Amino acid sequence: QVQLQESGPGLVKASETLSLTCAVSSYSISSGYYWGWIRQPPGKGLEWIGSIFRSGTTYYNPSLKSRLTMSVDTSKNQFSLNLSSVTAADTAVYYCARSVAGALCFQNWGQGTLVTVSS
Amino acid sequence: DIVMTQSPDSLAVSLGERATINCKSSQSVLNSSNNKSNLAWYQQKPGQPPKLLIYWASTRESGVPDRFSGSGSGTDFTLTISSLQAEDVAVYYCQQYYGSSYSFGQGTKLEIK
Repeated sequence: QVQLQESGPGLVKASETLSLTCAVSSYSISSGYYWGWIRQPPGKGLEWIGSIFRSGTTYYNPSLKSRLTMSVDTSKNQFSLNLSSVTAADTAVYYCARSVAGALCFQNWGQGTLVTVSS
Repeated sequence: DIVMTQSPDSLAVSLGERATINCKSSQSVLNSSNNKSNLAWYQQKPGQPPKLLIYWASTRESGVPDRFSGSGSGTDFTLTISSLQAEDVAVYYCQQYYGSSYSFGQGTKLEIK
């Protein structure tokens, strides 16, 4: 069973860059599937951030696209998220996830990590 | 961008009764390549990540009880729980994955009456 684990700073200063990594175990990223990031502000709903394929092909949420960079490192079996110029509105639990085969919905999820943006 | 709207925002149903949650997309999410709708349903319990229940609008994920079913096509979709169990108390989200930009509904909170 594939497992995903998010890691990164839990506190980021406003205007700086939020960087998270998702380590994948029991499955090789290079074997396929899409990999994604989803976030959830405290007490609110889910927001899709972006998805990436093993080749590096990316799909980004248009509302975040200008600040967002996603990458995949097949040698470390992990993928990453960088979100620049953060504000308090970026405070959320950030989840990484693996898609369903052939469909860009999310079958396997990490436990999530809370990132707080401080002023 | 496709906007997903769920109804109702919250719902209270008696144990053993049917629960129905609706999801409407602002444009069709019907995939012409396979004639399936790019629509998924998730269940989220407090402190947990979402759990995939249904994809392709009506395909039940492995291990999901058969009291959960999805229906609909194009722009209008429904998640039905045929006989509500106590463990089904959660927030339910729909998600469209059509094209290159994906989005979730705002969520429906399901409680026991």
